[in-house]
Amino acid sequence: DAGITQSPRHKVTETGTPVTLRCHQTENHRYMYWYRQDPGHGLRLIHYSYGVKDTDKGEVSDGYSVSRSKTEDFLLTLESATSSQTSVYFCATTLDTGTSGPRGNEQFFGPGTRLTVL
Amino acid sequence: QKEVEQNSGPLSVPEGAIASLNCTYSDRVSQSFFWYRQYSGKSPELIMSIYSNGDKEDGRFTAQLNKASQYVSLLIRDSQPSDSATYLCAVNTGGFKTIFGAGTRLFVKA
Repeated sequence: DAGITQSPRHKVTETGTPVTLRCHQTENHRYMYWYRQDPGHGLRLIHYSYGVKDTDKGEVSDGYSVSRSKTEDFLLTLESATSSQTSVYFCATTLDTGTSGPRGNEQFFGPGTRLTVL
Repeated sequence: QKEVEQNSGPLSVPEGAIASLNCTYSDRVSQSFFWYRQYSGKSPELIMSIYSNGDKEDGRFTAQLNKASQYVSLLIRDSQPSDSATYLCAVNTGGFKTIFGAGTRLFVKA
């Protein structure tokens, strides 16, 4: 258990409103990820972070931004939520993809946030 | 072609039987392979990792990797109703990029 929490766990919002999801980890893992999970698509990477203030885009980054000001916190922001962003969002961490060998790619997931955009 | 493909199922097996879950991937440079279990409404949980060709056993679980055929599988022996879940295959192609399959739903009938 990587000690990952997400907040809120559930949120209902309206189209056009900004939304911020928070991921907090207590394991001092360097790498953090945001995924969305939709039926038939599996987990798709939105953004990831490889250190404080170091972030990059994943395959479905449009409409999302992230920030990481501390090792333990990774925020996902929907600047103007749309109905297509209704999904379950998971945060994940890995120890280190470079120096820990292949085990550094083992991902540990938070409990998820179910977001509904009306 | 999807990068990681799994049969969506559902795969239904009787209690005590062997459940066989399969996954194919497209990127030949893939190095690390993972199986995650996800119960309904819960987050994925890592159950097996495999990095070299052959079999890797952990309790009732065996992961099998064949890089030449770009194929990875998960066998669950003595299946239990508590094994009923969706199983996600994941492939790391280097660095930060881990691609997940859409998952196979498994039902174990008591």
